[in-house]
Amino acid sequence: GIQVEQSPPDLILQEGANSTLRCNFSDSVNNLQWFHQNPWGQLINLFYIPSGTKQNGRLSATTVATERYSLLYISSSQTTDSGVYFCAVFAGGTSYGKLTFGQGTILTVHP
Amino acid sequence: ETGVTQSPTHLIKTRGQQVTLRCSSQSGHNTVSWYQQALGQGPQFIFQYYREEENGRGNFPPRFSGLQFPNYSSELNVNALELDDSALYLCASSLGTGGAWRTYEQYFGPGTRLTVT
Repeated sequence: GIQVEQSPPDLILQEGANSTLRCNFSDSVNNLQWFHQNPWGQLINLFYIPSGTKQNGRLSATTVATERYSLLYISSSQTTDSGVYFCAVFAGGTSYGKLTFGQGTILTVHP
Repeated sequence: ETGVTQSPTHLIKTRGQQVTLRCSSQSGHNTVSWYQQALGQGPQFIFQYYREEENGRGNFPPRFSGLQFPNYSSELNVNALELDDSALYLCASSLGTGGAWRTYEQYFGPGTRLTVT
């Protein structure tokens, strides 16, 4: 099956810093989602992005499907951005939409 | 519009017991998918339900089973619980099943944390 790798595994920032999280995938995908998992376990949808670039406030994402990667940019980070960020892909080739997740990037933002 | 809800939030069971977890899909969504998230890992796909039938399954044994009801809510049942079943169980709903030619964004509930002792 498809493999999804996220980097870095851990990231520690000071409030106000910018960061880039990367997601590589081993095969072509139909679509891709980025999530933020808060300390209580809730997965919050950030982006649904098969290709191109999208922006939402301080966050933006770019997916280059032909090169099999996606990037999540966080600008002017805040302590509330702390948590785990997951990339998940829809690999297609089946009759159902299954998300395959990476292992996540643990982000800690210090005040 | 209500989001995805799950119950209970926490559960403690003994090895060998059976457990039922519940999920109500987001308003207007007809498809429910279940995922298991072990500590420190990304969620793993268990199965998906559409029109009250299992529509796809991940690498989980038959003691993991489910139901979907006419109102699109769903249950996950796990029999003969093992210690390794301790995890966060996440339910996701979507407008459709997705698949080879079309995908639908999935929205997750808050999860049920299951501890097996």
